[in-house]
Amino acid sequence: DQQVKQNSPSLSVQEGRISILNCDYTNSMFDYFLWYKKYPAEGPTFLISISSIKDKNEDGRFTVFLNKSAKHLSLHIVPSQPGDSAVYFCAAISAGKSTFGDGTTLTVKP
Amino acid sequence: DSGVTQTPKHLITATGQRVTLRCSPRSGDLSVYWYQQSLDQGLQFLIQYYNGEERAKGNILERFSAQQFPDLHSELNLSSLELGDSALYFCASSVEGGSAGVALNSPLHFGNGTRLTVT
Repeated sequence: DQQVKQNSPSLSVQEGRISILNCDYTNSMFDYFLWYKKYPAEGPTFLISISSIKDKNEDGRFTVFLNKSAKHLSLHIVPSQPGDSAVYFCAAISAGKSTFGDGTTLTVKP
Repeated sequence: DSGVTQTPKHLITATGQRVTLRCSPRSGDLSVYWYQQSLDQGLQFLIQYYNGEERAKGNILERFSAQQFPDLHSELNLSSLELGDSALYFCASSVEGGSAGVALNSPLHFGNGTRLTVT
């Protein structure tokens, strides 16, 4: 049973517009959530995180929203840039163990 | 550059063989994690070591084993290889103090992976 799900395998957005990537989870014991970005031929790199006691965390163009009652988090990228084209993984942590979603491939078109 | 080094980058071998993947964690990180990413799938957690000792186990097959050495580098051994073992294998490290708090939630720093092809 997959505890962290990214239901959209891909997303295409025009440059300058908002990109919204979604992630759902089932385990209420998760207490920390992270987004990672992965370019081809590279390992994932940490992007932004949020604690379960918060509902929003912002870092420049990236904002993560957490809705605990819905067990849902989202990553907003505004404005989207072609260099944001990558695979985005959400991850949830419980007791120090990270569980990853399958990833969403974001394509930002110039 | 994440500071995590994985070797080799690519590995091609035949079914039934045994291979060893190597990982050097970021300087100062005590925890090493191994993940498997099969084609178009997410990162599947295999195993974690902390300061030389096994800390957590995920979906790791009995044919696979790992260890972390005193200098904190880690090796993942894959034996009796099957075609389905073809995947990207990532190593990650983190500052993980073993106590509740920020350290447990520290981000993982990934290497660039080893692409294993079993023919």
